[in-house]
Amino acid sequence: DTGVSQDPRHKITKRGQNVTFRCDPISEHNRLYWYRQTLGQGPEFLTYFQNEAQLEKSRLLSDRFSAERPKGSFSTLEIQRTEQGDSAMYLCASSNPPADDSQHFGDGTRLSIL
Amino acid sequence: AQKITQTQPGMFVQEKEAVTLDCTYDTSDPSYGLFWYKQPSSGEMIFLIYQGSYDQQNATEGRYSLNFQKARKSANLVISASQLGDSAMYFCAMREGLRAAGSYQLTFGKGTKLSVIP
Repeated sequence: DTGVSQDPRHKITKRGQNVTFRCDPISEHNRLYWYRQTLGQGPEFLTYFQNEAQLEKSRLLSDRFSAERPKGSFSTLEIQRTEQGDSAMYLCASSNPPADDSQHFGDGTRLSIL
Repeated sequence: AQKITQTQPGMFVQEKEAVTLDCTYDTSDPSYGLFWYKQPSSGEMIFLIYQGSYDQQNATEGRYSLNFQKARKSANLVISASQLGDSAMYFCAMREGLRAAGSYQLTFGKGTKLSVIP
């Protein structure tokens, strides 16, 4: 089964460190999304890519966050100078509209800032 | 105003019984899609069912059905014959805009925690 894959599953780091997460979407999916989910809340949209182009960013995505999707395949999300408030589950999803409206999610990366 | 409202923080249901999870939405866009996802304690988001705003029939997928009442702006999820494995968080989500345009980003509610009792 070639679903959406995220790495690592868990990341624990000290405040002020940089972290990078990776997402591998379903191979034929042209759209890739990043969401953040904090405890007791639903996921919140961060950004999305159509192939390699980053077309939209949420206001939640401060300048400490950067996302890339080179060659329109896997994507990385980097957080620089992490803060306590960055502790959350980071979810990646991919889709192939308009044929398939549903977004297929990975298992997420849980980030804990010490 | 909240775009997606799930008023039930937690629900209990007896195994083999049916349960309805409530979802109301707010949008002025005539074209939108409504989704339900299941999130077990392990964390992955599992797509369950989709309803388009122009769909005439209520969506069904196996034991899941969506009770779509457009005038009331509600999209309740009905799970029939509950199983122990249905215990999880359930999220309602909306995508606004035309299918051929826009980011397709989803706006999620806060979720309902369903517990199935043996």
